[in-house]
Amino acid sequence: AQKVTQAQTEISVVEKEDVTLDCVYETRDTTYYLFWYKQPPSGELVFLIRRNSFDEQYEISGRYSWNFQKSTSSFNFTITASQVVDSAVYFCALTTSGSARQLTFGSGTQLTVLP
Amino acid sequence: GAGVSQSPSNKVTEKGKDVELRCDPISGHTALYWYRQSLGQGLEFLIYFQGNSAPDKSGLPSDRFSAERTGGSVSTLTIQRTQQEDSAVYLCASRVAGLAGQETQYFGPGTRLLVL
Repeated sequence: AQKVTQAQTEISVVEKEDVTLDCVYETRDTTYYLFWYKQPPSGELVFLIRRNSFDEQYEISGRYSWNFQKSTSSFNFTITASQVVDSAVYFCALTTSGSARQLTFGSGTQLTVLP
Repeated sequence: GAGVSQSPSNKVTEKGKDVELRCDPISGHTALYWYRQSLGQGLEFLIYFQGNSAPDKSGLPSDRFSAERTGGSVSTLTIQRTQQEDSAVYLCASRVAGLAGQETQYFGPGTRLLVL
């Protein structure tokens, strides 16, 4: 079974600050995929980042970066120079190499960027 | 191109009634997923389709929930005899399956279901 933990429930920053969201995952699989999604107030889950565990491949949509550490099972996500429009709930998610590849989500981090 | 679409956007129903939720995946995406997002349970997987087959129904919470997919495209999630605990946002996602590097699921806007 997989598990994703996002310990930060809420974060507030002032516009233009950098902000890092934490994610810790658990899986017994050696082949897995990690994701970050954004959920603005409209409700739709928007894809941001995918990172493979087994190679250097990644996919990214936007001005974001990540820190992937296998040794600590962490996949942290950073927004550089945050903007008010970045205010949303951010979800970390994991899927493994099984045929279904359904996502296991963390509980989400509410980010508020203040003007 | 067009993204994943879902209908209706919002649905209010009375306890005990049946509801149908619809998902149109991205064209060419063979894998389709339903998830549920509720306050108490977060984001939960419900069911996965590969083509018209559902090899993984492990997330369906009860036998009141069922889903089908036709023509390898549109999917319908049906909830029979709705209960108040079914109130949630139902999200659909799709992805290209069978190609290396195509692991990302793309989500629709969801259907907000309220059972009174």
